[in-house]
Amino acid sequence: AQKITQTQPGMFVQEKEAVTLDCTYDTSDPSYGLFWYKQPSSGEMIFLIYQGSYDQQNATEGRYSLNFQKARKSANLVISASQLGDSAMYFCAMREANRDDKIIFGKGTRLHILP
Amino acid sequence: NAGVTQTPKFRILKIGQSMTLQCTQDMNHNYMYWYRQDPGMGLKLIYYSVGAGITDKGEVPNGYNVSRSTTEDFPLRLELAAPSQTSVYFCASSYSELNSPLHFGNGTRLTVT
Repeated sequence: AQKITQTQPGMFVQEKEAVTLDCTYDTSDPSYGLFWYKQPSSGEMIFLIYQGSYDQQNATEGRYSLNFQKARKSANLVISASQLGDSAMYFCAMREANRDDKIIFGKGTRLHILP
Repeated sequence: NAGVTQTPKFRILKIGQSMTLQCTQDMNHNYMYWYRQDPGMGLKLIYYSVGAGITDKGEVPNGYNVSRSTTEDFPLRLELAAPSQTSVYFCASSYSELNSPLHFGNGTRLTVT
């Protein structure tokens, strides 16, 4: 069964608008971490933000925030005031504490910011 | 700090050839991972290691082998290359803590023809 699901293969958003990238996950482990990475067209992988399953508050890092809904098993990335440089692939990933520390990725969402 | 270093950056193999993708990290990370990324797709875990002498299979291990004799190095071996192994390969490392993000190398673009 797929553990990480990103249902939006591609999105087009106007510059300066906020954008939400969806991520749902499946785990029976009570202790897990969720990560978001950005991959620009140059190919490198850039860590953006982390949310732990026991964190009481949604994670924020600058213009990035996580809408974490534990009961629904979703961890959506919100980018506020989008910029042209936000155009990239975005990947959601999960690490389960009691599952041999595998880190599994979703298929990604390609985000296009329009000027 | 160099971080995670992968070599080579590019390689073309003929079907049936073998090669080793090198990965080394200088951050004293216990955990190391190999992923492959097919065009327009996400990352699939090939093998990973939680410390020297310990390796384990990921989602797509067939056709690959790994070893971890030191903390720093985690080479990936392709035996009998096949066109299906054409991909971009990423090595990554992290600390053992749950909230430790992956640090990635710049990737190796491999073409098997």
